[in-house]
Amino acid sequence: KNEVEQSPQNLTAQEGEFITINCSYSVGISALHWLQQHPGGGIVSLFMLSSGKKKHGRLIATINIQEKHSSLHITASHPRDSAVYICAVKGSNYQLIWGAGTKLIIKP
Amino acid sequence: DTGVSQDPRHKITKRGQNVTFRCDPISEHNRLYWYRQTLGQGPEFLTYFQNEAQLEKSRLLSDRFSAERPKGSFSTLEIQRTEQGDSAMYLCASSKKRVGPETQYFGPGTRLLVL
Repeated sequence: KNEVEQSPQNLTAQEGEFITINCSYSVGISALHWLQQHPGGGIVSLFMLSSGKKKHGRLIATINIQEKHSSLHITASHPRDSAVYICAVKGSNYQLIWGAGTKLIIKP
Repeated sequence: DTGVSQDPRHKITKRGQNVTFRCDPISEHNRLYWYRQTLGQGPEFLTYFQNEAQLEKSRLLSDRFSAERPKGSFSTLEIQRTEQGDSAMYLCASSKKRVGPETQYFGPGTRLLVL
């Protein structure tokens, strides 16, 4: 079993739909990152969470430390949101442990 | 542009050749990371520097791979005697040491294709 599991692996939705991507982890962490990777490969950090909830524009990220679970929500989704969304956790060392990513396609 | 930069963005080479990639981190960042990402997979950690010291290396980093950060600023990743399995996206990230977790900022990556 992977230390970081994401679901779904692939998600296709219509423009305007509310999107939820889930991340579960099995290790102790000091922080959880949500990152966005576009087809060209560049990775952008969206959120870093250690507790609670963060919001940036149409993106919302939540984390439940007790349940070892985080969600990334996108409201009023748009085709430009199409990308791979990756959950990564940071444990006691320097490394990030990465999920496999969720490929999101938003159709106009 | 004060983000993380990588050079080259793309590299095609023949099997057996040596290649070198460069990463320029954000200027005030003292931590630098190298990752490798193959198609359809999440990035895999390769190595990590704090200033000029290489503090951790993954088992993925075979003896054909070497990374340096001589002055604690830019870093190079060299692959000797490339193999087709080395074809991947090589990502560099940097962060600033702080109390508590820090955000890693990623470069655009160098896509390597070994023929």
